[in-house]
Amino acid sequence: SQKIEQNSEALNIQEGKTATLTCNYTNYSPAYLQWYRQDPGRGPVFLLLIRENEKEKRKERLKVTFDTTLKQSLFHITASQPADSATYLCALDGTGGGNKLTFGTGTQLKVEL
Amino acid sequence: DGGITQSPKYLFRKEGQNVTLSCEQNLNHDAMYWYRQDPGQGLRLIYYSQIVNDFQKGDIAEGYSVSREKKESFPLTVTSAQKNPTAFYLCASSSHRGNTEAFFGQGTRLTVV
Repeated sequence: SQKIEQNSEALNIQEGKTATLTCNYTNYSPAYLQWYRQDPGRGPVFLLLIRENEKEKRKERLKVTFDTTLKQSLFHITASQPADSATYLCALDGTGGGNKLTFGTGTQLKVEL
Repeated sequence: DGGITQSPKYLFRKEGQNVTLSCEQNLNHDAMYWYRQDPGQGLRLIYYSQIVNDFQKGDIAEGYSVSREKKESFPLTVTSAQKNPTAFYLCASSSHRGNTEAFFGQGTRLTVV
C-alpha cells in the first residue's frame, strides 16, 4: 500500500541550529513533492515544491532535497528561530502526476531559546 | 482579495444529523480537495475534484458526500453514516495545470454533541 511517513516524534532544537526533517514514501512515483507549515488550529501554508528531476531547492533559510532512488525528501531550516516552531507536512501528488495531493502525518518542530 | 473560504468555523451536530460544510474559492482553480485532520494527526483525503461535475473518492470517503456544480464551490456533507465525524475539516484548491501549490481555507471544526 502507499505510505508517506514522517517522524511522529517532535523535534526539539536550539535556536540558531539547523533543523532537518524527513519524509519517506513507498509505492509512489510522484512527479513532485511539496512541504507545508501548519500552525495549531490553522490550515497548512505552502513552503516549497520540488520536482522529480530536481535534486535540491532553496528559498531563504529553507532547503529541500528529493532523492527518488531512496524515495526520500529532506527539509532543512537553517539558523532556526522560535518562530519556526510549527508542524511541517510533506505532500505528494498521485503516481504519474495529476492532482491527488496526499499528505504525510507531519513532524512537530520546537525551536528553543 | 483572492482566497479560499470555509464556513462555518465551528459546527455542532447532533448524532444522526447530516451537516454540510461550505468551501468557496475565487482563485479560478480547477482542483479542489477536502481533508480531515484528527488531533495530533496528519491530513487524510476525503474527496477531491479536478473539474466541474467530476470528483473522486480519497482515502476515507465513507460517510461523506460532495458535489461540484460550480468551479468556485465544493461543499462537503457529513452524513449520519459517518460514525466518528468529530474532527477538523480542511478544504483546499490548486491549479489543474499541475505542479502547483495548494491553498487552504481556515478550517471547520465539527463536533458531535
